[in-house]
Amino acid sequence: EAGVAQSPRYKIIEKRQSVAFWCNPISGHATLYWYQQILGQGPKLLIQFQNNGVVDDSQLPKDRFSAERLKGVDSTLKIQPAKLEDSAVYLCASSSGPGQASKGSYEQYFGPGTRLTVT
Amino acid sequence: GNSVTQMEGPVTLSEEAFLTINCTYTATGYPSLFWYVQYPGEGLQLLLKATKADDKGSNKGFEATYRKETTSFHLEKGSVQVSDSAVYFCALRGDAGGTSYGKLTFGQGTILTVHP
Repeated sequence: EAGVAQSPRYKIIEKRQSVAFWCNPISGHATLYWYQQILGQGPKLLIQFQNNGVVDDSQLPKDRFSAERLKGVDSTLKIQPAKLEDSAVYLCASSSGPGQASKGSYEQYFGPGTRLTVT
Repeated sequence: GNSVTQMEGPVTLSEEAFLTINCTYTATGYPSLFWYVQYPGEGLQLLLKATKADDKGSNKGFEATYRKETTSFHLEKGSVQVSDSAVYFCALRGDAGGTSYGKLTFGQGTILTVHP
């Protein structure tokens, strides 16, 4: 079974530029998460989708960050404009959701992440 | 809100030494507890988990016991190997009644380096 795919793996941009990250979850997983991992810290949830609806975006800086999951499968996370403090690894994870007990026990599977450097 | 506190790192050990990485948590209800490992250049991998008090999670020689009375989930391994060098994260997931069920709250991570 293919894992969670993310691209690009690395990105360097200047501050005030925009950037987008892509995530393809494990097939059939209803729930998708975006985490931000700043160097030396644990991942922090930015947004959680259940199918194509947002469950939790309380930690998403909505003035500059946006995310979508239009067809309930792939997702994109965008930053516009980027700030220096956005330098981090952006992790995507997926899990089965409520009503999908046959697909596992809601464990989250993580992609390799996208390392963003803002200069 | 929920929070997880891990022991300060980094931790440096010789091969075959005993490992303990402390983890304590604050949460309401009955959270599930996890240890994730991140090898250099790779994504997070689930190492072990425990979903209720007194459960012991184990995998690859690592163990952790869910202690509700001390709100702890310490990671242990009796004999570490060079290949165990990685960053270890303790995490909790709120119980099923929460509005954002599934969300993981992570500790800050502990870097483990094992020398031959």
